[in-house]
Amino acid sequence: GENVEQHPSTLSVQEGDSAVIKCTYSDSASNYFPWYKQELGKRPQLIIDIRSNVGEKKDQRIAVTLNKTAKHFSLHITETQPEDSAVYFCAAGANEKLTFGTGTRLTIIP
Amino acid sequence: DTGVSQNPRHKITKRGQNVTFRCDPISEHNRLYWYRQTLGQGPEFLTYFQNEAQLEKSRLLSDRFSAERPKGSFSTLEIQRTEQGDSAMYLCASSRNEDTQYFGPGTRLTVL
Repeated sequence: GENVEQHPSTLSVQEGDSAVIKCTYSDSASNYFPWYKQELGKRPQLIIDIRSNVGEKKDQRIAVTLNKTAKHFSLHITETQPEDSAVYFCAAGANEKLTFGTGTRLTIIP
Repeated sequence: DTGVSQNPRHKITKRGQNVTFRCDPISEHNRLYWYRQTLGQGPEFLTYFQNEAQLEKSRLLSDRFSAERPKGSFSTLEIQRTEQGDSAMYLCASSRNEDTQYFGPGTRLTVL
């Protein structure tokens, strides 16, 4: 089955700086890679996703890159703000069955 | 509220008791998923339905667990003879085919 590894487990960045979270996956059949943000006590919410037919996708301050050959994908958040503080999860799969990473706790330092 | 809803939000039970959770997906979403999330971990896939058909079950879903979606709308997840290791957040999600999965608020189960 699919195995997703996520790094780092914790990340602290100064407000206004960029944050990068990286994930690797094992199953070459995976073709869908969403990123979810989960605030304390809340449900996971999709922030951006990418499918395997594209290498990069951007939505305002958030971007995701995918390298299918190396089986890794990354989340980039620019101009970080205090409200970006949360746990971020990457996932990989064919959408009907997603395998999640273990999460990155991002803290934005004012 | 047109999002995914789950009931109850919290459930405390004694070991050995049976519990049942309900998930109401976003209307017209034909796919419904169940995940389990423990503290400090990402959601773990349990099972999913396309309409009323249960198409895949994880090995995590022991024979004490059963899920149904009888009319292709809401779903129930039952855990029989609960164990302390069943304590977790049980998340439901729904999607329209292979589109985005939208999560519900979860049911937090505590087994004493």
